[in-house]
Amino acid sequence: QVRLVQSGSELKKPGASLRVSCKASGYIFTSYAMNWVRQVPGQGPEWMGWISTDDARPAYARAFSGRIVFSLDTSASTAYLQIPSLTTEDTAVYYCTTDMAVAGRKAFDMWGQGTMVTVSS
Amino acid sequence: QSALTQPPSASGSPGQSVTISCTGTSVGDYNYVSWYQQHPGRAPKLMVYEVTQRPSGVPDRFSGSKSGNTASLTVSGLQAGDEATYYCSSYAGKTNIVFGGGTKLTVL
Repeated sequence: QVRLVQSGSELKKPGASLRVSCKASGYIFTSYAMNWVRQVPGQGPEWMGWISTDDARPAYARAFSGRIVFSLDTSASTAYLQIPSLTTEDTAVYYCTTDMAVAGRKAFDMWGQGTMVTVSS
Repeated sequence: QSALTQPPSASGSPGQSVTISCTGTSVGDYNYVSWYQQHPGRAPKLMVYEVTQRPSGVPDRFSGSKSGNTASLTVSGLQAGDEATYYCSSYAGKTNIVFGGGTKLTVL
C-alpha cells in the first residue's frame, strides 16, 4: 500500500526551529519528486516547492525561498521540511505530496496526512 | 490573496449539478489545471488534472473544463458526500504551482 506518513503535531515558540518528516512506503522513493504544501487554517493551500528524490536537488517557491530547507534520507525513504526560525505566521498544516499516477501533470495524487504546526509565545 | 480566484461558496440540492469557477492568468497560459476536494481535517484529494482528466477511482460525475482564463469544475448528481471545500490549482511557469482560495460546496 502506497503511503506518506508525516510526523506529529508541533507546538513551537517564535524563533525556534522545526523539522517535519514524511516517510514514504509502498513504492520506490526515488521515482517521484516530493513536494511540500502549506495550508493556513481557513485558507487555500500554498505550494512551497519540491525536492528531486534522485539527486536531492531542491526548488523553492519564491514566497518561501531563503526561509525553508528541503532534505532527504533516501536510505529511510524519508523527506524533511525544515524551518530554521519560526514566526507566528508559520502556524499552518504542512503536507508532503507527490505525483504518482499523474507524474509530470503538475498535480498531486498522493498526500501525507498533514502536520499541524502551531507557533505561539 | 490567492493567485487564482474562486467564489467562496456554492450550493445545490441532491441530484442537481453545480459548477465552480477558477480564474487566473496562469489558467489561460497552461493546460495544467487541477481540482482538489478537501473534507474538514483531511488532506486534499485530486479530482481532476490537466483541465479535464480524472484520476482512477474518481466518479465521472466530476468533470472539468476551461475557457480562456477561467476553469470550471462541474459536479453532477450531487450527493451528500460531495459537501466539501474544492480548490483549483494551476501550473504558473518556472516550476511554480498556484492554488485558489477555495469554494465551500454545500449540499442542501
